Amino acid sequence: AQTVTQSQPEMSVQEAETVTLSCTYDTSESDYYLFWYKQPPSRQMILVIRQEAYKQQNATENRFSVNFQKAAKSFSLKISDSQLGDAAMYFCAGGNRDDKIIFGKGTRLHILP
Amino acid sequence: GAVVSQHPSWVICKSGTSVKIECRSLDFQATTMFWYRQFPKQSLMLMATSNEGSKATYEQGVEKDKFLINHASLTLSTLTVTSAHPEDSSFYICSARQALSNQPQHFGDGTRLSIL
Repeated sequence: AQTVTQSQPEMSVQEAETVTLSCTYDTSESDYYLFWYKQPPSRQMILVIRQEAYKQQNATENRFSVNFQKAAKSFSLKISDSQLGDAAMYFCAGGNRDDKIIFGKGTRLHILP
Repeated sequence: GAVVSQHPSWVICKSGTSVKIECRSLDFQATTMFWYRQFPKQSLMLMATSNEGSKATYEQGVEKDKFLINHASLTLSTLTVTSAHPEDSSFYICSARQALSNQPQHFGDGTRLSIL
């Protein structure tokens, strides 16, 4: 993706509840990937979920799922049954198969006990 | 899984010195490695793309002579910050793509660089 926009700088959710993080993107590529990365205080980049643009089915990884709306260029992340360990910075990102990844500005997620 | 090792994890040095950061793919061959920079509370900004055996491709606004990148083997890329100044203080992260693979990039744990 050539641009990635995350409009929510911070969000909070009660433990065990569900939260959705928003992301929009723009690209001229036909073959691309979209990603959600988690960056905890350790600053390690952890891949949460990956979506291939040609696949219509939304990717899921346990409590994490995405809502990929290709026509609207939207790629939101839903976290179900939020846990304290989910607190982190979340980056939406996009790129084509062989090239660089462009990151959004991030959303800081707080989990309220 | 694929592991990318970055060294050192934290370095403090005096202004005017040069600092080298290593990025190694431990259990796979990486034809392409990427170098990112992250300022506090900001996103990752791509600095350059490093291809094994060829010159790195730098993003607009990144000084080639300031940030020297070498990718001499399929498992090692280095970033050298030359004549470092306090404004170069940042968090530097590398990532590596496995050759001939559909796998996503694998990230190192980053290097915190502090220039006094």
